[in-house]
Amino acid sequence: KNEVEQSPQNLTAQEGEFITINCSYSVGISALHWLQQHPGGGIVSLFMLSSGKKKHGRLIATINIQEKHSSLHITASHPRDSAVYICAADTDKLIFGTGTRLQVFP
Amino acid sequence: SAVISQKPSRDICQRGTSLTIQCQVDSQVTMMFWYRQQPGQSLTLIATANQGSEATYESGFVIDKFPISRPNLTFSTLTVSNMSPEDSSIYLCSAQGLADSYEQYFGPGTRLTVT
Repeated sequence: KNEVEQSPQNLTAQEGEFITINCSYSVGISALHWLQQHPGGGIVSLFMLSSGKKKHGRLIATINIQEKHSSLHITASHPRDSAVYICAADTDKLIFGTGTRLQVFP
Repeated sequence: SAVISQKPSRDICQRGTSLTIQCQVDSQVTMMFWYRQQPGQSLTLIATANQGSEATYESGFVIDKFPISRPNLTFSTLTVSNMSPEDSSIYLCSAQGLADSYEQYFGPGTRLTVT
């Protein structure tokens, strides 16, 4: 069993839909990262969370430390949100989930 | 935030040759890391690049195959030696520890194809 599990693996949505990506982990962490990877490989750090909730524009990330679970939400999704979203548990190194491939269609 | 650049952005190399990838951060950072992302896979940590000392390698990666340098707090190189087609991957540099933050920043990646 992977130490960091993401679901779903693939997700398609119509523009404007509310999207949720889930991440569960089984290790002790100092923080949890949400990353966005566009075609071509470039990675952008979206959030680093150690508790509660963070919001940046249309993106919201939450974490429940007791349940070892985090979610990334995208409100009013747009085709430019199409990317792979990766969660990573920060132990003494980053342990990555397998990613969620999101496609948003107009 | 930190801006990380990598050179080259992509390369096609012949089997048996070596390629050195450069990573430059626009600010001094505590930690620099090298990752590999094989096609369809998530990221795998190759090593932590330590300033002024030998890199710390993860299980399955060795210095002879992936020599790493880190001469100062803003620059690191990763060499992929004696390449084979199995080394075809995206190689990413990342940095952490800007101004005592644990935020991690990633470079744009180097797409390597070995023929």
